[in-house]
Amino acid sequence: EPEVTQTPSHQVTQMGQEVILRCVPISNHLYFYWYRQILGQKVEFLVSFYNNEISEKSEIFDDQFSVERPDGSNFTLKIRSTKLEDSAMYFCASTLQPYGYTFGSGTRLTVV
Amino acid sequence: AQSVSQHNHHVILSEAASLELGCNYSYGGTVNLFWYVQYPGQHLQLLLKYFSGDPLVKGIKGFEAEFIKSKFSFNLRKPSVQWSDTAEYFCAVNRNSGNTPLVFGKGTRLSVIA
Repeated sequence: EPEVTQTPSHQVTQMGQEVILRCVPISNHLYFYWYRQILGQKVEFLVSFYNNEISEKSEIFDDQFSVERPDGSNFTLKIRSTKLEDSAMYFCASTLQPYGYTFGSGTRLTVV
Repeated sequence: AQSVSQHNHHVILSEAASLELGCNYSYGGTVNLFWYVQYPGQHLQLLLKYFSGDPLVKGIKGFEAEFIKSKFSFNLRKPSVQWSDTAEYFCAVNRNSGNTPLVFGKGTRLSVIA
């Protein structure tokens, strides 16, 4: 069964550093998403991406965040200057139609 | 804005007990409804989903959920839980129009004891 692949599985970074979280969505999918889950809290929507542009973003997704699909296979989330409160599990998801998401296994980001 | 409420934060059951996890949503329009499960240390996996049609939806691993439109509810059920069902369960909803993001509930942790 096709999978959404995320790398790395765990990243530790110092406050103020830039991080890039990588995702390889399922190859024929068209819609891409990033969600995050702060420890002990609910999963929160960050951003959706379709047709090479952001289609929707949440209040969390401020100027420090950006997404890119640089080569037609990868889908990246960049945090320019990480803060302690960015520590969370970040999930990538993709879907062929705008529902029926497949989630990746997540990247645990720890900001110290 | 949509919101999803899951009434139980932590549920503890003995093996073979029946399970019902509550989920209510707030949105007046047509929605798609989902239940996801997250086993310890793993990613979100889809248990079942409702788009339209029969309001009683059967999913994987013996789970089912019933959509009651008048109550804005989509409760998850399983007649007999197993130890391996120990996990976090998330209800989610999105608007049934175009590319709309999922809104998740806070999750219910299920602990099944022998």
